[in-house]
Amino acid sequence: DAKTTQPTSMDCAEGRAANLPCNHSTISGNEYVYWYRQIHSQGPQYIIHGLKNNETNEMASLIITEDRKSSTLILPHATLRDTAVYYCIADNYGQNFVFGPGTRLSVLP
Amino acid sequence: DSGVTQTPKHLITATGQRVTLRCSPRSGDLSVYWYQQSLDQGLQFLIQYYNGEERAKGNILERFSAQQFPDLHSELNLSSLELGDSALYFCASSVEAADTGELFFGEGSRLTVL
Repeated sequence: DAKTTQPTSMDCAEGRAANLPCNHSTISGNEYVYWYRQIHSQGPQYIIHGLKNNETNEMASLIITEDRKSSTLILPHATLRDTAVYYCIADNYGQNFVFGPGTRLSVLP
Repeated sequence: DSGVTQTPKHLITATGQRVTLRCSPRSGDLSVYWYQQSLDQGLQFLIQYYNGEERAKGNILERFSAQQFPDLHSELNLSSLELGDSALYFCASSVEAADTGELFFGEGSRLTVL
């Protein structure tokens, strides 16, 4: 599995877009980029995933660079309930995800 | 609500004891995964089962074992418990063994070993 690196923590003002970066410079061609989040001690929640095209769903957008070495998760209008630890994972078909320390996002009022 | 049910939610036991954690996957999901989350280790993959068969193994100790039953529920057995086994244990499920990678996690079982 490709290793990912993320900032330890980030702050975002409520109502503004939260842009969470992820570096996965050693990602291989068949590995997807997945994003999960964990609110407090709840079970992780799937957000979005992509291979090389940008993706959007009701929760977020995923922007993957053309060389696939990095990506950005965008929460377009962050709310207080988006405060969580966000995990970026590079994996092929999700057989046994390796969760790193993630980014602790704090949405501030 | 992810549709994955874990019991018990909380468990307190003593060192040397044995406990069993139970997981019911979402209806129709054939794959079950177990993860351990302790304060100093983050989320660690333990083991995966697919339709009753072990599919992948991670950092699972020999004192731990798991199985998936014909009705697809799974149990994680932890024996000879040590203080360091105190953690949140999460179960997740997915439809196939290798699909889109969308795992559905339960709310976890919090184990405290005293």
